[in-house]
Amino acid sequence: DTEVTQTPKHLVMGMTNKKSLKCEQHMGHRAMYWYKQKAKKPPELMFVYSYEKLSINESVPSRFSPECPNSSLLNLHLHALQPEDSALYLCASSRPGLAGGREQYFGPGTRLTVT
Amino acid sequence: AQRVTQPEKLLSVFKGAPVELKCNYSYSGSPELFWYVQYSRQRLQLLLRHISRESIKGFTADLNKGETSFHLKKPFAQEEDSAMYYCALSGGNTPLVFGKGTRLSVIA
Repeated sequence: DTEVTQTPKHLVMGMTNKKSLKCEQHMGHRAMYWYKQKAKKPPELMFVYSYEKLSINESVPSRFSPECPNSSLLNLHLHALQPEDSALYLCASSRPGLAGGREQYFGPGTRLTVT
Repeated sequence: AQRVTQPEKLLSVFKGAPVELKCNYSYSGSPELFWYVQYSRQRLQLLLRHISRESIKGFTADLNKGETSFHLKKPFAQEEDSAMYYCALSGGNTPLVFGKGTRLSVIA
């Protein structure tokens, strides 16, 4: 399996809802990433997990809470989001070892709309 | 600080014409450079990495350390090349840094 999968593909949530985004890979990658991508913009890094431990948090608001239950799974828990959080959320993974210095493989993304 | 600059937001070329997407970087050590492509409604995917020196879909890119550039080239553009192209840099323990992207439009 050489793909990163993400569920759901689309998500609409109100500002008081709690929801989760899921990401899965079975390539043996030990670094996993969450990105936020607005239309016609490059991905913005949110979080990096290396060997299931959070290694980078790019000053993301606490209404976004990442979780890495095991080496294949990555979750992003969402709570009390704002309309400006509407975006495409991308998950990526890379080979074992350093969080940087390796090409990343991206999932198709979850299109999130906050109403 | 690491920085990737893609000077063109949009590049329009005619089918069959040569294509060059520019990328310049700023990094004090030895970086790894990549080109990613995002076709309409598809996932961001790796196109090229400088260490493998390969040609994918007719595209090539050479790392020029003197000019700190990693331009993407193709001799004859095809309509299916129309997409968003991102140059990215990785160095040491830091994750990818993306440029702002160049939208390539190939006109029939």
